[in-house]
Amino acid sequence: GAVVSQHPSWVICKSGTSVKIECRSLDFQATTMFWYRQFPKQSLMLMATSNEGSKATYEQGVEKDKFLINHASLTLSTLTVTSAHPEDSSFYICSAREVREGEQYFGPGTRLTVT
Amino acid sequence: LAKTTQPISMDSYEGQEVNITCSHNNIATNDYITWYQQFPSQGPRFIIQGYKTKVTNEVASLFIPADRKSSTLSLPRVSLSDTAVYYCLVGVENQGGKLIFGQGTELSVKP
Repeated sequence: GAVVSQHPSWVICKSGTSVKIECRSLDFQATTMFWYRQFPKQSLMLMATSNEGSKATYEQGVEKDKFLINHASLTLSTLTVTSAHPEDSSFYICSAREVREGEQYFGPGTRLTVT
Repeated sequence: LAKTTQPISMDSYEGQEVNITCSHNNIATNDYITWYQQFPSQGPRFIIQGYKTKVTNEVASLFIPADRKSSTLSLPRVSLSDTAVYYCLVGVENQGGKLIFGQGTELSVKP
C-alpha cells in the first residue's frame, strides 16, 4: 500500500531554535498534504493544508509565521517550527492525499520536544 | 462540518465482538463515514469507509442505518493488539480532503 514517511521520527531542540520536519509520499504523488498536531491524550488537530506549488492554508488560530510549510514537489512537504518554545512540544503528523484516487495516507508522526 | 459524538472509552475482553457507535446528526447528503485507528505515538490508520447500509472488509464491518445519523464500527473477536483509539469522521469527500478529528473512542482490550 501507499506509504508516507516522516523525518525525523523524534527530535529534541533547545528553546529559540528552529526545527524542520519532512513529510514524503514514497510511492505516490500527492498534490495535497496536511499537517496535524497532537498533544498527549488529545485528538489530532489540523494545522494546515499544503498544496504543491502554492501557499499553505492555515486553520484558525495557527500562526503561519511560526509554522512554515513548504510543498515544493508532489512527494515532499516540510513543516518548520520557528523559534520553538516548550509549548510547541507535541506529536506532529502529516498526511498525503493521492492525486489519482483521492485516498489519504498518514505518516508515522514526529515527536518534538523543546527544552 | 458534521460533528461526531462517540463514547470516550470502552473496555472489552479478548475474543469478544466490539461495537463502537458514532452519532452524526448533521450528516450531509453527500458525506461519507470513515473510521480510523490510532496506536500511541503512531499516525492514524484507515479502517473502513461507507455511505449507507453495510460495508465489510478484512478488518471490520460498518453498519449505517437508513437515516445515516449514526454508524457502528464492529470489530469481530478483538485481541490485545486492537487496543487503540478509534476515530469516526464524516464528510471527507466534499471538504477537499480535510479530515477533522473528533475526540475518538479509546478501546481497551483485556486478556
